[in-house]
Amino acid sequence: EAGVTQFPSHSVIEKGQTVTLRCDPISGHDNLYWYRRVMGKEIKFLLHFVKESKQDESGMPNNRFLAERTGGTYSTLKVQPAELEDSGVYFCASSRLNRDGYTFGSGTRLTVV
Amino acid sequence: KNQVEQSPQSLIILEGKNCTLQCNYTVSPFSNLRWYKQDTGRGPVSLTIMTFSENTKSNGRYTATLDADTKQSSLHITASQLSDSASYICVVTGDSGYALNFGKGTSLLVTP
Repeated sequence: EAGVTQFPSHSVIEKGQTVTLRCDPISGHDNLYWYRRVMGKEIKFLLHFVKESKQDESGMPNNRFLAERTGGTYSTLKVQPAELEDSGVYFCASSRLNRDGYTFGSGTRLTVV
Repeated sequence: KNQVEQSPQSLIILEGKNCTLQCNYTVSPFSNLRWYKQDTGRGPVSLTIMTFSENTKSNGRYTATLDADTKQSSLHITASQLSDSASYICVVTGDSGYALNFGKGTSLLVTP
């Protein structure tokens, strides 16, 4: 089966601009998660979708971040407006069942300059 | 303070040697503990997953141990290969089951 796909792999944007990251989970995986790793820190949870519903978005840093999963398939994570501290690697993961094995995408490396 | 602490931060070993990576956690209640391998530019890939009742799990040359009483885990790599060079991340899941708590990882470099 195809893995979790993230696009783009890299993005460099200026402070104040908008960026949208996309994640295509494994087909049939109802659970989709966003995580991010900022420089020098551990990977941290952002939010969790079950199908198209947000199960938990407690990890979202602020209202400049908006995640959607219309139709319960792919998901987007929009950052608007981007700030310097948003730079990092954004990972998406999916699983068939909650508590099931996670499959991670390769991540999107976001650099805000 | 992070609830998952790993040591050492980095490690260099010769090809063919063994090594052991450590993970201490404070996540409570506890659901499971996973070890992931992350190659540069890739996402984390699961090596092992252990629940409360399991104290050892092997995956090829990788053997993970878990002491749920002391909240410690280790990952032992036997007969290391150059391809083992990667970041090894300890991840603990709380009782909710979905939010993963990541350690910062141990960066392992295997040299010829």
